Amino acid sequence: QSALTQPASVSGSPGQSITISCTGTSSDVGSYNLVSWYQQHPGKAPKVMIYEGSKRPSGVSNRFSGSKSGNTASLTISGLQAEDEADYYCCSYAGSSTYVVFGGGTKLTVL
Amino acid sequence: QVQLQESGPGLVKPSQTLFLTCTVSGGSISSGSQYWSWTRQPAGKGLEWVGRIYTSGSTNYNPSLKSRVTISVDTSKNQFSLKLSSVTAADTAVYYCAREWWSGNFDLWGQGTLVTVSS
Repeated sequence: QSALTQPASVSGSPGQSITISCTGTSSDVGSYNLVSWYQQHPGKAPKVMIYEGSKRPSGVSNRFSGSKSGNTASLTISGLQAEDEADYYCCSYAGSSTYVVFGGGTKLTVL
Repeated sequence: QVQLQESGPGLVKPSQTLFLTCTVSGGSISSGSQYWSWTRQPAGKGLEWVGRIYTSGSTNYNPSLKSRVTISVDTSKNQFSLKLSSVTAADTAVYYCAREWWSGNFDLWGQGTLVTVSS
């Protein structure tokens, strides 16, 4: 069982927007604005899409955005494209004894 | 640019020790304020953080693996390594090395290497 809870799957049509939630606790997501999001295509290494809650690395489309409310972080992808179909993982700093926790992952299907 | 590449045996027997190395190219492993980390992923499952080593040599480990994990760095070879003892089939996974910043941002990843634990 993963430390952070994500929906197993989400889907959307091209051009639509979707949001993936990532629920933690007051010991991780709720206490730090240090959530990152990773996109992983089959057989490939993860790629960071959002870090420190809402920052986008250079080269990542501005269609990807991150936010947080309480113990839940969210990744929103607007203007869905076929290439966005992948698995997405959230990750949070969890304090000085647990350090890093990942979510179980969400499979995004572009219909 | 900086690149990471994992290497090591693809097959380890139960109860033995898994040993992997990550070679950092295109930059010095001891420059900057980053961590060098290991994360694993069993087939069809999610990511699990294993642990990390800071440029100073200090380490942090996943509490669930802490008793079996050692991460070390060899600055002369620009490499860092993972040692996981007393492996079982549950340790079968793709193991990734990555560069990790203080904020938990894993911005560079190796391609991953599959390690199977089987007799």
